[in-house]
Amino acid sequence: HLQLQESGPALVKPSETLSLTCGVFNDSLSSSSSYWAWVRQSPGKGLEWIVSMYSSGSAHYSPSLKSRVSVSVDTSKNQFSLRLSTVTATDTGIYYCARNEVGALDYWGQGILVTVSS
Amino acid sequence: DVQMTQSPASVSASVGDRVTITCRASQGVSSWLAWYQQKPGKAPRLLIYAASTLQSGVPSRFSGSGFGTDFTLTINSLQPDDFATYYCQQANSFPLTFGGGTKVEIK
Repeated sequence: HLQLQESGPALVKPSETLSLTCGVFNDSLSSSSSYWAWVRQSPGKGLEWIVSMYSSGSAHYSPSLKSRVSVSVDTSKNQFSLRLSTVTATDTGIYYCARNEVGALDYWGQGILVTVSS
Repeated sequence: DVQMTQSPASVSASVGDRVTITCRASQGVSSWLAWYQQKPGKAPRLLIYAASTLQSGVPSRFSGSGFGTDFTLTINSLQPDDFATYYCQQANSFPLTFGGGTKVEIK
């Protein structure tokens, strides 16, 4: 069955760019008609949707984060990526990648904790 | 943006109880509503999509209902494995938005 795995640095300095990658296993991004998403969760808080993208690269963004978010898809590596620029402590949290199928997020990665600190 | 409001924020219940969680959307989302369960240290798990369709592998004691702006997640005969936090999410339009969560605790 489909599996997703986030990777990237656990610690990012304030004002720098957070970069994460989601590896997709047992499905092909290039042939998929699904959206692929990033969701985050601040410590002890609820879930916040960041972005959903197609393998073509077209995407929908959270309005509150749109100015700082960029996404990309590498079909040759079967992975998609998130970049969040000019981070502050409020960007600290667990970042999840997920498949966004018919609106719902049906498969999730295990999540990666990213701390923004100097 | 569609605002999602869940209630209650927390509920204390015993094994075997029926638990009902409500989710209200600030505008109609048709049946584009999903429910998730999250346990500490784990990723959310999809329970229900399209307001009432049970995701594969989810026990039948979970059920969802509603349309438009008002939705309900019901857990019949609460089991020890069900103590967790539950979130609703609207899928009618971008940006996708989640409710604030409902924590189901052991009484």
